[in-house]
Amino acid sequence: GENVEQHPSTLSVQEGDSAVIKCTYSDSASNYFPWYKQELGKGPQLIIDIRSNVGEKKDQRIAVTLNKTAKHFSLHITETQPEDSAVYFCAASSEYGNKLVFGAGTILRVKS
Amino acid sequence: SQTIHQWPATLVQPVGSPLSLECTVEGTSNPNLYWYRQAAGRGLQLLFYSVGIGQISSEVPQNLSASRPQDRQFILSSKKLLLSDSGFYLCAWSAIIGDTEQYFGPGTRLTVT
Repeated sequence: GENVEQHPSTLSVQEGDSAVIKCTYSDSASNYFPWYKQELGKGPQLIIDIRSNVGEKKDQRIAVTLNKTAKHFSLHITETQPEDSAVYFCAASSEYGNKLVFGAGTILRVKS
Repeated sequence: SQTIHQWPATLVQPVGSPLSLECTVEGTSNPNLYWYRQAAGRGLQLLFYSVGIGQISSEVPQNLSASRPQDRQFILSSKKLLLSDSGFYLCAWSAIIGDTEQYFGPGTRLTVT
């Protein structure tokens, strides 16, 4: 089955700097890769996703890149702000989203 | 627009007591429904998913069960709670056809004492 590894487990950046979180997946058939942001005590919120027919996708300060050959994908947050502080999860699915396998999460702290 | 509800928001139950957590979705029909557990505030583990009324798939053997009595209602149950059942329980939904995103509810914090 699918296995997703996520790094780093914690990340501290200064406000205004960029943050990068990386994930690798094992199943070459995986074709959908979402990223979720979870604030303390709340459910995860979908912030961006990418499908295997696209190499990069951007939404304002957030971007995701996908390297199918290497089987890894990354989340890039530019101009970080204190409200970006949260736990971020990557996930991969090979069944059109019916079953997602999640990474272990990254705690992002943005210091002002 | 679609909305997903979970209740209760928090629950403290003694070991050996029963459990019933409820999840409902509004604004969509025939959703896929999921139960996840999140231990220690980190990774999400898929417990059950359902593609229709009465259709439940279990991902891991455990002390819990799930039921889907109505199209947009998903229930997580246990007859006798264990200490290890403590955690943050999340319900999610996705569309059956033509969509892949999963959307999560606000979660239920369960503490077994």
